[in-house]
Amino acid sequence: AQKVTQAQTEISVVEKEDVTLDCVYETRDTTYYLFWYKQPPSGELVFLIRRNSFDEQNEISGRYSWNFQKSTSSFNFTITASQVVDSAVYFCALSNNAGNMLTFGGGTRLMVKP
Amino acid sequence: DVKVTQSSRYLVKRTGEKVFLECVQDMDHENMFWYRQDPGLGLRLIYFSYDVKMKEKGDIPEGYSVSREKKERFSLILESASTNQTSMYLCASRPLSGQRNEKLFFGSGTQLSVL
Repeated sequence: AQKVTQAQTEISVVEKEDVTLDCVYETRDTTYYLFWYKQPPSGELVFLIRRNSFDEQNEISGRYSWNFQKSTSSFNFTITASQVVDSAVYFCALSNNAGNMLTFGGGTRLMVKP
Repeated sequence: DVKVTQSSRYLVKRTGEKVFLECVQDMDHENMFWYRQDPGLGLRLIYFSYDVKMKEKGDIPEGYSVSREKKERFSLILESASTNQTSMYLCASRPLSGQRNEKLFFGSGTQLSVL
């Protein structure tokens, strides 16, 4: 069975602070995929990143960066210099290799105050 | 722009009613999914469909059924709505490409309240 845990249910920061959203996963598969999605107030989840289990390189995209550590089964997401528009619920998700079992974490609500 | 459209943003129904939630995508995607979202539980998969007339149960199919008669449309049916089905329902689609685990495209959700 797969499991994704996002221990932080809500985080509140002030604009321009850095913030890290934690994601810990469990799987017995050797090949799997990890995702982050953003859900703004409009409700529509938006894809942010996908990583496969063989690619442990960290990734940076503008103010966003992701740290994948297989040794600790974690795939953490950092927003640098946060902005009010970053306020949203963020979901981490885990998929098996076949792609027919996508398990989401409980989500972290990020509030960025001006 | 790619689009997944859910017919209603808000829906209020009574216990015992038959409820239809409709989802249409305009991207010619083979795979379609229905999730429900509850606070603290994230998204849980109800049903998914690989292609027309094909369906597979997800993690929580009890009390739900689905229909996929056309490629672009995936309907979620609550045969007899109950109060514990009050939730946000999200539809998603995904292409069947050579690359596995393509990203999902989501609709904006339907907030269903069962009274």
